[in-house]
Amino acid sequence: EPEVTQTPSHQVTQMGQEVILRCVPISNHLYFYWYRQILGQKVEFLVSFYNNEISEKSEIFDDQFSVERPDGSNFTLKIRSTKLEDSAMYFCASSEAAVGYTFGSGTRLTVV
Amino acid sequence: ELKVEQNPLFLSMQEGKNYTIYCNYSTTSDRLYWYRQDPGKSLESLFVLLSNGAVKQEGRLMASLDTKARLSTLHITAAVHDLSATYFCAVPNSGGYQKVTFGTGTKLQVIP
Repeated sequence: EPEVTQTPSHQVTQMGQEVILRCVPISNHLYFYWYRQILGQKVEFLVSFYNNEISEKSEIFDDQFSVERPDGSNFTLKIRSTKLEDSAMYFCASSEAAVGYTFGSGTRLTVV
Repeated sequence: ELKVEQNPLFLSMQEGKNYTIYCNYSTTSDRLYWYRQDPGKSLESLFVLLSNGAVKQEGRLMASLDTKARLSTLHITAAVHDLSATYFCAVPNSGGYQKVTFGTGTKLQVIP
């Protein structure tokens, strides 16, 4: 069964550093997303991406965040200057046009 | 703004018992998704409900959708310990691009 692949599985970074979280969506999917989940809390939408541009973003997705699809397969989330409150599990997801999502296994980001 | 609420938030039940998790949402949607999350893991798709009156069953879990009442239920029959996890419902927002809003989650503990 096709999978969404995320790397790394765990990233520890110092406050103020830049991090890049990587995702390989399912190859024939057209819509890509990032969500995050602070430990023990609900899953929050960050951004959606379609046709090589951001289609929607949440209030959480401020100027510190950016997304890219640098080639035909990767989809990245960059956090420019990490804060303690950015510590969370970050999930990438992809979907075809109309039905549900497939989530990746997640990247646990710990900012110290 | 779409709000999605689940109840109960926590559920401790004995093996062999039946129970129902409820998911209410605040704005019109004709579809709803259920996910399972084990601790520290990703979101596993359980059910995709695509229309009013949709009912889907997989093993001991059965999900239904009433779009008029803006309510979905996840019914557990004869619970077993392996069903212990957190269950999320998620509702697509209107306006396309497939962004979904997740419910608060229900943490289920099945006691042997």
